Amino acid sequence: QVQLVESGGGLVKPGGSLRLSCAASGFTFSDYYMSWIRQAPGKGLEWVSYISSSGSTIYYADSVKGRFTISRDNAKNSLYLQMNSLRAEDTAVYYCARDEGWLWGQGTLVTVSS
Amino acid sequence: SYELTQPSSVSVSPGQTARITCSGDVLAKKYARWFQQKPGQAPVLVIYKDSERPSGIPERFSGSSSGTTVTLTISGAQVEDEADYYCYSAADNNRVFGGGTKLTVL
Repeated sequence: QVQLVESGGGLVKPGGSLRLSCAASGFTFSDYYMSWIRQAPGKGLEWVSYISSSGSTIYYADSVKGRFTISRDNAKNSLYLQMNSLRAEDTAVYYCARDEGWLWGQGTLVTVSS
Repeated sequence: SYELTQPSSVSVSPGQTARITCSGDVLAKKYARWFQQKPGQAPVLVIYKDSERPSGIPERFSGSSSGTTVTLTISGAQVEDEADYYCYSAADNNRVFGGGTKLTVL
């Protein structure tokens, strides 16, 4: 079954860190570029980060640049998002997506609150 | 960075045609995608490359482009099409979503 499953969300204090994972199955993960996209409660979609199929090209939204790091392990069919120096405004459901939206996971909720 | 602008809401009666616009300078040179999102669900791609429809998406969904504006058209909108719709485009090292349009079919 072709799917993406995110994990690693939770409650974290401002200034804290969290690492999200996205497990891919049912397709050749190493063939596809991947993205992280988030959605704050009651708000619209916001693109966060992009990584090419090999991992050699990476982009970030200005809002997370210098704090978040995207990576992938093609041998483990997994995508990651290391989030440091978290802020209240980072509170959102985080989705991983293949091919900039052809396939989405169900999302994982990150809440940044004291 | 760049921006994509959508109306916040559109309302139609069942069977009518719904049109949702998305405007931005980047659209003059880059393709747009459209996503549908229903409450509590992940988004679904409904249009790519301005006007292409993925398999499994009903034919009533279509897209068009003119200059710096792209339009999602739902011909004969149905109650189940009620959702939030987002346009999206990518250029160089930037990707951006429009603010989203809430479509009401009532």
